[in-house]
Amino acid sequence: QVHLVEAGGRAVKAGGSLRLSCAASGFSFGDSYMAWIRHVPGRGLEYIASISNSGSNIQYEDSLKGRFTVSRDNINNLLVLQMNSLRTEDTAVYYCARVLGTFELDSWGQGTLVTVSS
Amino acid sequence: SVLTQPPSASGTPGQRVTISCSGSSSNIGSFTVNWYQKLPGTAPRLLIYRDDRRPSGVPDRFSAYKSGASASLAIRGLQSEDEAEYYCGGWDNTLYGPVFGGGTRVTVL
Repeated sequence: QVHLVEAGGRAVKAGGSLRLSCAASGFSFGDSYMAWIRHVPGRGLEYIASISNSGSNIQYEDSLKGRFTVSRDNINNLLVLQMNSLRTEDTAVYYCARVLGTFELDSWGQGTLVTVSS
Repeated sequence: SVLTQPPSASGTPGQRVTISCSGSSSNIGSFTVNWYQKLPGTAPRLLIYRDDRRPSGVPDRFSAYKSGASASLAIRGLQSEDEAEYYCGGWDNTLYGPVFGGGTRVTVL
């Protein structure tokens, strides 16, 4: 059974940094594409980034390039999102998800809340 | 949003509700569509994948279809537990990335 657990979300001031992690279990993490998605009330679901199983292919939402960095540790089954220069509009619940097929997000973590204040 | 959904939909218990998702030839017109259900306070859940397939555990009250560059999700026999936000999603070959609709909030009256 796929199990994804995000951690690291907290309140932070604008301009600050946060490192989110996603611990994966119950499936072959090293064979799976993964993604970070966020949910903002009133704005809906927003794609952040995705990373191939080996980590060699990484893609970002254009507006977040340069501030957010995704990486993975296939030894420890961990997905990481480094967020720098945070803005108030980055306030959201951040989810990691497994990607299948043509970007089917078939399994999601419970989410971690990031609150950025001015 | 690249994919266009109505912001809201509603129905009484037992009714059928349909949610549309409009795109273009670079996304829905060329790639499969997925639908997600987001109940209040919970993580999104894959409801429909590859246009019209239901993952195990999803009731057959939920169905979806696609025609050209548009897709629709139907909820038959609406129940109170269906109150949620519903999102369509897929791939866009012009943006070369995943895209979502803006979401539709379904209310059971």
